[in-house]
Amino acid sequence: SQQGEEDPQALSIQEGENATMNCSYKTSINNLQWYRQNSGRGLVHLILIRSNEREKHSGRLRVTLDTSKKSSSLLITASRAADTASYFCATANQAGTALIFGKGTTLSVSS
Amino acid sequence: GAVVSQHPSWVICKSGTSVKIECRSLDFQATTMFWYRQFPKQSLMLMATSNEGSKATYEQGVEKDKFLINHASLTLSTLTVTSAHPEDSSFYICSAYGTSPTYNEQFFGPGTRLTVL
Repeated sequence: SQQGEEDPQALSIQEGENATMNCSYKTSINNLQWYRQNSGRGLVHLILIRSNEREKHSGRLRVTLDTSKKSSSLLITASRAADTASYFCATANQAGTALIFGKGTTLSVSS
Repeated sequence: GAVVSQHPSWVICKSGTSVKIECRSLDFQATTMFWYRQFPKQSLMLMATSNEGSKATYEQGVEKDKFLINHASLTLSTLTVTSAHPEDSSFYICSAYGTSPTYNEQFFGPGTRLTVL
């Protein structure tokens, strides 16, 4: 079963704009991760945020985590055409090992 | 960083045949590997957890007799799709779990696209 639910399902923006994607999950977590997947390719790990963290930055990425609302957001600032991809949040399953992925947000950045 | 490879990267087979997909951790030992399946425009769904030297644990709804998993060494897990049918056509991705278990750090392979005619 899927743990996370992302919204929006699809997002289209212009280069230079910011893109915000949200993720909600159902159970308690130790951490939450965000991944990117280019069409038909493997996953690229973007960032991990622990349950005791509220915000984390990595380059143009900013992730927030609100454990009280069981939600996280990924902000990509000053987007580029190369950011076009699907973005997934993921949390650990009950065993604490495998990752359970959300449905993903498909981001299209046009130049 | 740690590297996980998959072979083949894509395969086309006839209905009824079996296909084997390999997942290798190239520069680290992985006691646990995972197999995911991804249908077009959908998310990754966990199929099974593969532990070195023991039987795989399958997720609900995944047929263990159809998707045979073998994890014979600390660097290799294989997924065999037996008697493949067109509905098995999908993108299969493995991951290996090894370096930072405390934070559930996994390294993903590049995926194998299976097309069953």
